[in-house]
Amino acid sequence: NAGVTQTPKFQVLKTGQSMTLQCAQDMNHEYMSWYRQDPGMGLRLIHYSVGAGITDQGEVPNGYNVSRSTTEDFPLRLLSAAPSQTSVYFCASSFSGTGNTGELFFGEGSRLTVL
Amino acid sequence: AQSVTQLGSHVSVSEGALVLLRCNYSSSVPPYLFWYVQYPNQGLQLLLKYTTGATLVKGINGFEAEFKKSETSFHLTKPSAHMSDAAEYFCAVSDRAAGTASKLTFGTGTRLQVTL
Repeated sequence: NAGVTQTPKFQVLKTGQSMTLQCAQDMNHEYMSWYRQDPGMGLRLIHYSVGAGITDQGEVPNGYNVSRSTTEDFPLRLLSAAPSQTSVYFCASSFSGTGNTGELFFGEGSRLTVL
Repeated sequence: AQSVTQLGSHVSVSEGALVLLRCNYSSSVPPYLFWYVQYPNQGLQLLLKYTTGATLVKGINGFEAEFKKSETSFHLTKPSAHMSDAAEYFCAVSDRAAGTASKLTFGTGTRLQVTL
C-alpha cells in the first residue's frame, strides 16, 4: 500500500528559485495538509485542504502556495525560496467528516535546503 | 487556540527502565489527543490516541497514555524501555469539530535515548 507519497525526498535550491513539492495519497482522504519540521519547534502547519477546490492557511503560510484540483494530490509551491525555508516538509492526510477522530497519515518527508 | 507543551526535549533511560514522556495541553473544548513517534529519517507514525471513553489508552509497542482532564495532561509511559524505542516522540492535540479534527497542533518533541 502506497499511503502518502512525497517527492522529491531531497532538494537543494538557491535563494530566489521556485519549486513544487509533490504529495499524493491513495486512501481517498478528503483532508490533506503540509507541515514543516524544524529543530526545537516541532511540526507547524503550513496549509491544509478539506477537499478538492478548498484550501486554507495554517500557522506559517507565508512564502508558500497550495492548490487542490483532485482528491489525491496536494502540491506545495515555493514561489521564491529563502534560506528560512530550509526545513523538512511533511504531507499528511486524513479521513474527514462525521466520525473523523483526527488521525493523520504522514509521508516520509522532503528535506529542502535553500542556499 | 490549542497548544501542547512537552517537558524535556531530551530524555535518557536505561534499557529495561520505565519510560515517562510528559505532555500537557491547552484546549477550550474537549480535545482529541495523540502521540506520534518518528524514527530517524522517517515520517511520523501514530502510537496511540484518545478520543472518548476510557482515559487509559494503549498503543503499539507496549506504550500507553492516560488522559487526565483535571491536570490537562496526556503523559506517555512504557514499563520497560527497549533499545528500539530510541526515537523522537510528539504529542499533539486537535478539537472535535468535524471540519478541523485533523488540524493537529504538535508539541516540540522529546528525543528518547535508551542506553545499555
